[in-house]
Amino acid sequence: AQSVTQPDIHITVSEGASLELRCNYSYGATPYLFWYVQSPGQGLQLLLKYFSGDTLVQGIKGFEAEFKRSQSSFNLRKPSVHWSDAAEYFCAVGARNDYKLSFGAGTTVTVRA
Amino acid sequence: DVKVTQSSRYLVKRTGEKVFLECVQDMDHENMFWYRQDPGLGLRLIYFSYDVKMKEKGDIPEGYSVSREKKERFSLILESASTNQTSMYLCASSPPGQGSNQPQHFGDGTRLSIL
Repeated sequence: AQSVTQPDIHITVSEGASLELRCNYSYGATPYLFWYVQSPGQGLQLLLKYFSGDTLVQGIKGFEAEFKRSQSSFNLRKPSVHWSDAAEYFCAVGARNDYKLSFGAGTTVTVRA
Repeated sequence: DVKVTQSSRYLVKRTGEKVFLECVQDMDHENMFWYRQDPGLGLRLIYFSYDVKMKEKGDIPEGYSVSREKKERFSLILESASTNQTSMYLCASSPPGQGSNQPQHFGDGTRLSIL
C-alpha cells in the first residue's frame, strides 16, 4: 500500500518570498502524485498532478512540483507567495491498480505581510 | 465545473443517534468517496463507491455505512453516533480512469459535532 509523509506541519513565509513544501511517498511502482490546497472552510482544490513524463509539472496559481524518483519526493514550489496562498496543502499518492488515494497529514502555510 | 454538494456545512447530533450525511455530484461521475479529516491526520478514506449499489471499505470503515442508490448521490451513515466521530467529513467524486489517475473533486465539507 502507498503512503505519504509531509514532514512540515506548519510553515510561515513572508509575502513575496519563495515557498517549498516537502512530500515524500512510499510506493513500489511509479505512482500518481497530486497536490491539493484547502482554504479555510472549503473543500480541497487540485493544484497539480503527475502521472508520467516530464518530472517538472506546472499547476494552477503559479505552483509547480518536481517528481524525483531517486528521492521518492514530489515537492511543491512557488517563487513568490501571495497572502491568498495561506491555506493547508495536502500531498496525495495513488496507484494504477487502485481507485484510492493516500493523503499526507498536510502542511499549513501562514503568509505574513 | 464539477459541483459536489454536501447537504450540511455544520451538524450537531447526540451520541447514539443515527446520522445521515448526504453528498450529490452533478458530473455523472462513477466514483464517489467519503473521507474524514482530523488535525494532524490528513484525510482518511472511510468508504468509496465505483458504481451504483457498489461500495468498498476504505481505511477506517468501523462505525460507518454508506448507500448509493443513484449515481449522483452518495450517503454516509453513522449507525450510532459516538463522540469520537466528531470530525470534518469530506465527499469527493471522480470519473472512471486507470486506477486513481482521475483527480477527485471535493465538496466543502460537513463539520459534524457529536455531543
